[in-house]
Order: sequence, then structure tokens, then C-alpha cells
Amino acid sequence: GQNIDQPTEMTATEGAIVQINCTYQTSGFNGLFWYQQHAGEAPTFLSYNVLDGLEEKGRFSSFLSRSKGYSYLLLKELQMKDSASYLCAVIGRRKGGGNKLTFGTGTQLKVEL
Amino acid sequence: GAVVSQHPSRVICKSGTSVKIECRSLDFQATTMFWYRQFPKQSLMLMATSNEGSKATYEQGVEKDKFLINHASLTLSTLTVTSAHPEDSSFYICSASQGRSSGNTIYFGEGSWLTVV
Repeated sequence: GQNIDQPTEMTATEGAIVQINCTYQTSGFNGLFWYQQHAGEAPTFLSYNVLDGLEEKGRFSSFLSRSKGYSYLLLKELQMKDSASYLCAVIGRRKGGGNKLTFGTGTQLKVEL
Repeated sequence: GAVVSQHPSRVICKSGTSVKIECRSLDFQATTMFWYRQFPKQSLMLMATSNEGSKATYEQGVEKDKFLINHASLTLSTLTVTSAHPEDSSFYICSASQGRSSGNTIYFGEGSWLTVV
């Protein structure tokens, strides 16, 4: 099966940098996503990592270490609108074939003045 | 970019009735669609994976006779909640994959709020 762990909540200050960690266990790892979700809305895609290393996209960066089963999402120059839930999701192999995308419980980030 | 449309966005139904939620890929062919359910302040829980032209694969604990999934075409999957009960009230979200391989080609619908009264 798949197991994904991330902190339940974090608080950071506007303008600062915050790192949200995600550890996972899965069979047949085939990629890791980070999504942002505001309350009552569908998730929006932030990043995708399938190879080790850092992927940078504007204020957001995502890192992956497959050997450690570890990823983090880095948010720079935090803005109040970044207050949201951040979901780590992993694609793993399903028994019997095919892929399965499993979400972590999400990290609720609160950005304060 | 690719867009996945989900309808209805909100629906209220009476207990014991059935309600159908549609998920459409608007500008690409989706060989695989995923259906999730999300309760307040919880993460998305995968309910089932539907593959065009074949039976859906349900996750453990999800009743296949209660949550009927049909993926009859490459652009449409439907989730029918049968004999709905108040505990089925939730946020239902679909996502569509553009190909059988993984990658950043998974797109989410806008979600459907179901309230069973």
C-alpha cells in the first residue's frame, strides 16, 4: 500500500520562507505531486517530481529524494493568499496493474502579518 | 491548457434518491479518471479509478453497488450515488489523466458538493 506523512499545520510570517515536508512509502513509485487547496475548492497543481532534485517554479520549489522517500515544498516570499492546505500526492503501482494517486492528509499553512 | 469540467457543482437531494455527477475532459481524451471524496478538513480519499471501456477499480471500503462509475467514452465519466444518505454528503472531485503513463498530466475538475437531506 501507500503511506504519506506530512505535518498537519504550519504557521509562517508574510515575506518569509516556509518548507513543507512529505515522507512517503509506496510500491512502484512513479511521481510525486504537490497541490494547493483553498477551503471549498478543488486542488490546483503546483509541482511534479519524478527524478531526484529540485524543481523551481517562481516562488515555489519542490525537492525529491527517491532513496529517502522524501519531498519538500518550499514557498518563498510568502503572501497572505498562500494561506491554504498543501497536499502531497504520490503515484504508485496498484496491485493488478495501473497507477494509483494517493494524497497525504494535507498541511494547513497559515500566513500571518 | 487541458480542462476538466465537473457537473453539477452543487446538488441537494433527498435521502434515498440517487444523484449523478459528471466529469468531462474538454480538450483531451482521458483514458483514466479518478474519483475522490473529501470530508471537511480532511484530505482527498480515492474512491475508485475508472478506465475507459472497462470496469472501475474500487478502493477498499468503497461500495461499488452504491457508487456506480461509468466511463463509457474517452471524455466522460459519471459517478452515481445510489440510495443516498446524509452521511454521503461530501465534496466529490474527479481527475482525469491524459495517458496511461504517469506524469504531470492529471487534471482536476472543480468538484461537486453533495448534500443529502
